Amino acid sequence: KQEVTQIPAALSVPEGENLVLNCSFTDSAIYNLQWFRQDPGKGLTSLLLIQSSQREQTSGRLNASLDKSSGRSTLYIAASQPGDSATYLCAVIVANRDDKIIFGKGTRLHILP
Amino acid sequence: ETGVTQSPTHLIKTRGQQVTLRCSSQSGHNTVSWYQQALGQGPQFIFQYYREEENGRGNFPPRFSGLQFPNYSSELNVNALELDDSALYLCASSLAVGNAGSEQYFGPGTRLTVT
Repeated sequence: KQEVTQIPAALSVPEGENLVLNCSFTDSAIYNLQWFRQDPGKGLTSLLLIQSSQREQTSGRLNASLDKSSGRSTLYIAASQPGDSATYLCAVIVANRDDKIIFGKGTRLHILP
Repeated sequence: ETGVTQSPTHLIKTRGQQVTLRCSSQSGHNTVSWYQQALGQGPQFIFQYYREEENGRGNFPPRFSGLQFPNYSSELNVNALELDDSALYLCASSLAVGNAGSEQYFGPGTRLTVT
């Protein structure tokens, strides 16, 4: 059964620092991996999608990597800003299963001004 | 291009009642997925509809049912509401080619409270 784990569960860092959020998954048979941002009580905003054949994707200050063989992904945020404070969710879309997309529980990020 | 919309925004129901939540998919998308997100948890997959047919179901009882219409909008129906059904219900649309994974675009969610 596919399980997605995100570490740490919560993180507080001073503004301006670079940081890394971690995501691990137990079954490498995935179509892709997607990182989302969720503000309190709101829906999910897609940040980056990495296809299973890709190793990384970049958008602005965000860079996501994918290592299928080890079941790991990282989301790197450069030069963090208070507006980056949110919960970041990692999700994998699995191949040939009824459970189409499996989410981690998220990392709650707080950027200190 | 119109994004994913959901209605209502908030809803309060009593245990045992029935509820219908609605979702309009992003323009051009033919696949809609529904998720339940309890407080402090990641979203849990309920089911997916592709071209009006159910295309996968998570670990939810039959009292959770759905529909997809010819315009690809969708409804989630929950019968015999229980207190544990209180959650944020999220709808996501995507353009799926067969069963291949594709980027999911989420709506703002419906907050359901069961008392």
